[in-house]
Amino acid sequence: TQLLEQSPQFLSIQEGENLTVYCNSSSVFSSLQWYRQEPGEGPVLLVTVVTGGEVKKLKRLTFQFGDARKDSSLHITAAQPGDTGLYLCAGARSSGSARQLTFGSGTQLTVLP
Amino acid sequence: DVKVTQSSRYLVKRTGEKVFLECVQDMDHENMFWYRQDPGLGLRLIYFSYDVKMKEKGDIPEGYSVSREKKERFSLILESASTNQTSMYLCASNPPGRSPLHFGNGTRLTVT
Repeated sequence: TQLLEQSPQFLSIQEGENLTVYCNSSSVFSSLQWYRQEPGEGPVLLVTVVTGGEVKKLKRLTFQFGDARKDSSLHITAAQPGDTGLYLCAGARSSGSARQLTFGSGTQLTVLP
Repeated sequence: DVKVTQSSRYLVKRTGEKVFLECVQDMDHENMFWYRQDPGLGLRLIYFSYDVKMKEKGDIPEGYSVSREKKERFSLILESASTNQTSMYLCASNPPGRSPLHFGNGTRLTVT
């Protein structure tokens, strides 16, 4: 059972456009992480959101954690070809176990010049 | 910076072969993980280890085993490779708690 649903699965846009990626669950998470994976590399952490309603900005990327800590969104303003990659959300439970993260299925973003 | 190194970028093996995937991290992290990544399925946890010689099954352990004899090294073993184990395998590590994962660059395994 996929506990974290990401949408859209694929997104192809022109340079300069804005976009939003969604990460939804019926489960509550203690925190949520966003990773970006470029071809031939492993995922790299972009941000961690912890508090319900929290908004974090990383240059042109804005991350929001839902009030109920069940969902999150990633908004990119004025996308650039360098933003191309697979975006993964990952929710952490509060169980304290080392089996920590549940990953979403990913959003493959392509930004065309 | 944390470095997680996977020994092979690409592997091609035959059905029935025993396959070893090696992972080494240089930051003295207690936790190490093996994931497989398939299109549309995200990352699925195979096994993880929270200490030397300690291991726990993840979500899809069938057909795999692991070994952690030293803190810095975590090996994934396919006892008898099958074609449905063709995938990208990612190793990761982190310190105790809910710290972010540090990933290696992956091993793309093809079983023919």
